Amino acid sequence: EAGVTQSPTHLIKTRGQQATLRCSPISGHTSVYWYQQALGLGLQFLLWYDEGEERNRGNFPPRFSGRQFPNYSSELNVNALELEDSALYLCASSPRQGPKNIQYFGAGTRLSVL
Amino acid sequence: RKEVEQDPGPFNVPEGATVAFNCTYSNSASQSFFWYRQDCRKEPKLLMSVYSSGNEDGRFTAQLNRASQYISLLIRDSKLSDSATYLCVVAAGTALIFGKGTTLSVSS
Repeated sequence: EAGVTQSPTHLIKTRGQQATLRCSPISGHTSVYWYQQALGLGLQFLLWYDEGEERNRGNFPPRFSGRQFPNYSSELNVNALELEDSALYLCASSPRQGPKNIQYFGAGTRLSVL
Repeated sequence: RKEVEQDPGPFNVPEGATVAFNCTYSNSASQSFFWYRQDCRKEPKLLMSVYSSGNEDGRFTAQLNRASQYISLLIRDSKLSDSATYLCVVAAGTALIFGKGTTLSVSS
């Protein structure tokens, strides 16, 4: 069974540009979560999507947004990139049934903002 | 006070040693508790859930003290392959709150 897959693996952008990160959850999982892991910091919760709806968001500015598609895959968009947005962005998924806080992570997209 | 606090380490131990990691959390409404393991430049992977009665999985033992808002992980008979960063994770609802992690390095 395929795990959570994320693309691209690496992304290099310049300040002010927009970045789009993609995530495909494990088959049968309906919830997708996005986290940011900046150097020296712990994972910070960004967004939670379930059944196509945004259910919760962390303490991040509105230029961090996303969506979930009918096939449960998800995109994270970061507008007006800033240098401090450089981080590893991790996507996780959880199944429709069972506890939502058992989450399975993808390998991440490493975003570098120059 | 940070939501989830861990001693960052690093903990440098020889093979076969017993090592313990501690974690404290600030939200008394937290409902679920986990330890995740993260290898260098890899994604976090669930190591074990932590139950109020304490639980064991092979060489790993997790304890939870709700009154003190304290979680621990004990690793017995350390292996080289245990070298990683161990993340203490607390859930209130569906959002997972991660500690910054404790780094363990096991040497031969």
